[in-house]
Amino acid sequence: AQSVTQLDSHVSVSEGTPVLLRCNYSSSYSPSLFWYVQHPNKGLQLLLKYTSAATLVKGINGFEAEFKKSETSFHLTKPSAHMSDAAEYFCVVSEGTYKYIFGTGTRLKVLA
Amino acid sequence: NAGVTQTPKFRVLKTGQSMTLLCAQDMNHEYMYWYRQDPGMGLRLIHYSVGEGTTAKGEVPDGYNVSRLKKQNFLLGLESAAPSQTSVYFCASSFRPLQETQYFGPGTRLLVL
Repeated sequence: AQSVTQLDSHVSVSEGTPVLLRCNYSSSYSPSLFWYVQHPNKGLQLLLKYTSAATLVKGINGFEAEFKKSETSFHLTKPSAHMSDAAEYFCVVSEGTYKYIFGTGTRLKVLA
Repeated sequence: NAGVTQTPKFRVLKTGQSMTLLCAQDMNHEYMYWYRQDPGMGLRLIHYSVGEGTTAKGEVPDGYNVSRLKKQNFLLGLESAAPSQTSVYFCASSFRPLQETQYFGPGTRLLVL
């Protein structure tokens, strides 16, 4: 069965420092993996997705994620945090059906 | 091109009242979904539709009904609202299901007293 674990419910970083949001998944098949961002009182916006092409995926706003099958991880990174990055981030796994499995979210706080 | 829109944005109901949430998309997507978001639980699928006139149950369907009479619209109904249905409801759509990006609406915040 599919599952997603976001290892940190809250992450705080200083502006200009690197961001690391961790996600581990469990899947019986070759999954598709997504990261979505949700700003306060807004809907979810796709940051990036992995669909069995390149293992290093580049997304919007300078974010990227690396698919590591041996570690069953799909961590989200950004070299330098900006105040506008403060939001909640969701890791999502899909096994090629309609169904998304969402992680419980990581709230990113960016300190000035 | 508005994407996915939801009506209303916010609603307060009393226990036992009914209401319908409307989702509309203008991207000609076949697949549409209703989720609820509760603190600390991520998003959970309520119902989904794979095309006009078809609907199916998701992970947490109890207490909800849906209809997809037109391809662009997906309605979520609460026949007799309960406090446990206090949540934020998101609609999403996608062109195909396989490895496909879902596009989300801005959400409807529902409070049931």
